[in-house]
Amino acid sequence: DAKTTQPNSMESNEEEPVHLPCNHSTISGTDYIHWYRQLPSQGPEYVIHGLTSNVNNRMASLAIAEDRKSSTLILHRATLRDAAVYYCILTSATDKLIFGTGTRLQVFP
Amino acid sequence: NAGVTQTPKFQVLKTGQSMTLQCAQDMNHEYMSWYRQDPGMGLRLIHYSVGAGITDQGEVPNGYNVSRSTTEDFPLRLLSAAPSQTSVYFCASSYIGFSPLHFGNGTRLTVT
Repeated sequence: DAKTTQPNSMESNEEEPVHLPCNHSTISGTDYIHWYRQLPSQGPEYVIHGLTSNVNNRMASLAIAEDRKSSTLILHRATLRDAAVYYCILTSATDKLIFGTGTRLQVFP
Repeated sequence: NAGVTQTPKFQVLKTGQSMTLQCAQDMNHEYMSWYRQDPGMGLRLIHYSVGAGITDQGEVPNGYNVSRSTTEDFPLRLLSAAPSQTSVYFCASSYIGFSPLHFGNGTRLTVT
């Protein structure tokens, strides 16, 4: 199963952009890149996903490298509510969805 | 829409007891899965299912059984609870493996 690597933690100030990186050098051609976040004491929630092209939705943007070996989740203006653990995972054809330890994002007022 | 419903929310077991964690979804999702999350850690996949009658093991399947007799339900059975199974358990579902997962609110299990 392809794995992802993320920094353990990152910090941001409120209303600043945040770029959360994810490395997935062993990604296969059919793997989608999914991002989830987990607020304190809650279950994970879906943020965004993509295959090859950059993606935007109301929550965030996903920038995927041309070789697909890395991606970046972009929060355009961080708020205190964005403080969470962010997980980058690959969804393979085996349907075995493996989460790593994620990146804990702290947002300061 | 109820989404993914997990019961109970909290449970305390003694070592050696058995119990079933319930998970139900009303979205007609084929894919369902169980994760455990230990304090301060990420999620680890226990078992998953791609449809009724089909289940497979995840990263940490030992000590747990699952079955999928209907599309809606995916119960997780602890055969003989151990303190190492103290954790928060999350159930998730989606249409297919590539679609976004919908998570339940979790079951907090303590084994003494």
